[in-house]
Amino acid sequence: GENVEQHPSTLSVQEGDSAVIKCTYSDSASNYFPWYKQELGKRPQLIIDIRSNVGEKKDQRIAVTLNKTAKHFSLHITETQPEDSAVYFCAASRGNTDKLIFGTGTRLQVFP
Amino acid sequence: EAGVTQFPSHSVIEKGQTVTLRCDPISGHDNLYWYRRVMGKEIKFLLHFVKESKQDESGMPNNRFLAERTGGTYSTLKVQPAELEDSGVYFCASSQTVWGLNEKLFFGSGTQLSVL
Repeated sequence: GENVEQHPSTLSVQEGDSAVIKCTYSDSASNYFPWYKQELGKRPQLIIDIRSNVGEKKDQRIAVTLNKTAKHFSLHITETQPEDSAVYFCAASRGNTDKLIFGTGTRLQVFP
Repeated sequence: EAGVTQFPSHSVIEKGQTVTLRCDPISGHDNLYWYRRVMGKEIKFLLHFVKESKQDESGMPNNRFLAERTGGTYSTLKVQPAELEDSGVYFCASSQTVWGLNEKLFFGSGTQLSVL
């Protein structure tokens, strides 16, 4: 069946360093790739997304890259801050209103 | 604008009991999804409503789970009878469809279900 693998499961970085989280998807028909951030005790919130007609998208300190051939996509956070600490989930779908298939999450800790 | 609201936030029940979770999506959102996260694992799709119709229920684990969305507004997810493996966080999410494209998915805060 469709699945999304996400690595690493935990990531600890020093404030100011960069963090990279990688995902691989299995369904070649996937064309929409969002990233969600879930802070402790709060709801998952969309932080950035990319569609398959684009290879990279940036929003201030966060960026997402997509390699359709390899079926990989990655989240890059630069100049990390303690408030970036959270669980990050990648997901993939076939677009339209199709269901999202999520990765298992990455717990990011940013130490001051 | 009010977000997606879920009730209750926590529920502790004994094996064999019944629990009903409720989700109120954002007003005007036709798409309503139920997801579940078992500890440490992925957020797993359960089912998708478009208005009051079940668009996709391929993720429902078994017939102990019943979801409804009468009138196309709020939705309920009933587990009867609950088993230990049903424990987890149940998320509801909603979205609009604009020109056939899925728009941003808004999540509720989830219901933490513990079956003892």
